[in-house]
Amino acid sequence: DGGITQSPKYLFRKEGQNVTLSCEQNLNHDAMYWYRQDPGQGLRLIYYSQIVNDFQKGDIAEGYSVSREKKESFPLTVTSAQKNPTAFYLCASSDYNQPQHFGDGTRLSIL
Amino acid sequence: GDSVTQMEGPVTLSEEAFLTINCTYTATGYPSLFWYVQYPGEGLQLLLKATKADDKGSNKGFEATYRKETTSFHLEKGSVQVSDSAVYFCALSPNFGNEKLTFGTGTRLTIIP
Repeated sequence: DGGITQSPKYLFRKEGQNVTLSCEQNLNHDAMYWYRQDPGQGLRLIYYSQIVNDFQKGDIAEGYSVSREKKESFPLTVTSAQKNPTAFYLCASSDYNQPQHFGDGTRLSIL
Repeated sequence: GDSVTQMEGPVTLSEEAFLTINCTYTATGYPSLFWYVQYPGEGLQLLLKATKADDKGSNKGFEATYRKETTSFHLEKGSVQVSDSAVYFCALSPNFGNEKLTFGTGTRLTIIP
């Protein structure tokens, strides 16, 4: 089955720690995206990548970092500089001129 | 910049009622418009889309028409079911391709039997 796999489903972080959220797709899509969802605020774009080894900041990139070393993988690191990291994180991918497909998300909480 | 404004929820309807969720947008050029649905604890699923003025997107009994003159893309369904209970997001993309999506805040819909 083709799709987007995000792991883990739930993640807990201590203050001052970096954590990495995994996103893998087997759809052979060129573009991948990370969004953050907060209650009542819709989704906001963190980073996106249109091709391997290249990525751009979205609207709320501060405190986050990404890499795109392989076409199928786009991990997101939430650094200790992100002051309010508790949220639901969604990864998406798309082919050129096609809608974005989403994974099932990772819920990050601070201990 | 681009923005999407959608009807605030929550919306509660009885089964078989008519549904409208309003969505208006602000964008330069000719954006593509989308409705996504999110069921509890899950990611977003594409419900329908429209890429140019007067296009009508439809899926699973839901419809929305791209109205450039009113910059709107309202979601409608003639007879809702309990299984339609979810959060619905209106979104736009500057071009139909590898561009970021701008989302509305979402509308939570609950259908009661």
